[in-house]
Formats: sequence, C-alpha cells, structure tokens
Amino acid sequence: DAGITQSPRHKVTETGTPVTLRCHQTENHRYMYWYRQDPGHGLRLIHYSYGVKDTDKGEVSDGYSVSRSKTEDFLLTLESATSSQTSVYFCAIRVGNNDGYTFGSGTRLTVV
Amino acid sequence: AQSVTQPDIHITVSEGASLELRCNYSYGATPYLFWYVQSPGQGLQLLLKYFSGDTLVQGIKGFEAEFKRSQSSFNLRKPSVHWSDAAEYFCAVGTGGGNKLTFGTGTQLKVEL
Repeated sequence: DAGITQSPRHKVTETGTPVTLRCHQTENHRYMYWYRQDPGHGLRLIHYSYGVKDTDKGEVSDGYSVSRSKTEDFLLTLESATSSQTSVYFCAIRVGNNDGYTFGSGTRLTVV
Repeated sequence: AQSVTQPDIHITVSEGASLELRCNYSYGATPYLFWYVQSPGQGLQLLLKYFSGDTLVQGIKGFEAEFKRSQSSFNLRKPSVHWSDAAEYFCAVGTGGGNKLTFGTGTQLKVEL
C-alpha cells in the first residue's frame, strides 16, 4: 500500500491564526489532493497537485492555499482560520491511472 | 461538471439481510465510478471501481456494484450484511483518467443485530 501520512491528526486553533496541515507520501506519486469532509456535504475538493510546484483549485478553494516543493509533501495552509473551516481534512494520492485514490487518516481541525 | 447523488442519507438493515445503496451520477462522457467505505474516525477505503467492460464489478468484503448507463446509476449491493459493515459509504465519479473525483454526500449504514 502507498504510505500516506497526515499531520497533525488533531488541532485546535483560534480564529484569525494561520494553520498548515501536512501530507506526506513515501512513494513518488504525481497527483495529490486535499479534501474537506463535512456532514451533509461528503468530501469536497479544496486543491490538488499534479507535480512539484504544479497545483490547481478545487470547488472550495477560497481561504486556502497549497504548496508542493517536493514530490512527497503537499501542504495545505489556512492563511487566517475561520470557524467555517472547522472540518476534517483528508489528503489523498492517486496511485495509478485508473486506481482511484488512497486516503490518509485525516486531520480534525477545530477553529474556536 | 460531474456530480453524484446518493439519495439515502441513512439506511438500517438487519444482519444477514441484503443491502443495496443507491448512487446516481451526472457526467458527459464515460464515467469512472468508485465506491468507498469509511469507518468511524478512519479514512476512506476503496471497495470497488468501474472503468469499462463488464458492468457488474466485484469488490472487497463481498460487495458488488452494477453500472447501468441508461439509468446513470452505480448501485452497491451485498447479499448478506454483517454487523461489521456498519459504516458510511461514498460513491464517487472521476474525470477521464480519474484525475479528480467528485463524491456524493454519503449513506450511513446501520446494522441491527
């Protein structure tokens, strides 16, 4: 199985503070994704990357930025956290052309 | 743009009974379709996938799904449900090559003993 690790697993932060979530893979998969999961909404794509320094927006990208300076790491940053960004964040990688995604264990973020 | 509808938010079945979870998709081209399962506090695990060929696909844990183009559906089935199948199930549709997956809102399955 492709190794994918998210950190931290849990975080509580205050409104207005910056927050960075990290996704790390142990293999050289090109495509990486950040989703957020909220009750009644399923998973919604925030941003994705198709290579080092190559990223694009998903359907709910406002308030988020990403960076990918190395193949193995994909960072999601909330520049100024808001309560509406309280959610569970999942990172995913695409391990093959037709293989769907492998997901990380998630980061539960609470903005107070 | 593609979209996925899972009309059932919650489903309760008795252990040993059969199960069918509904999924309808909207996509202009040949869809790439997936079913994922999520246990509480866990990430998502791929159950099965469809790209082409045989419209009945087999997955892990005894699940299967049937692609029906005329109905734009990809329903998940299991002949006999086990208590350990209680979880949330997500249907997803992908663009060509599976570059971006769009998920449904999920169906929460409860299994009564």
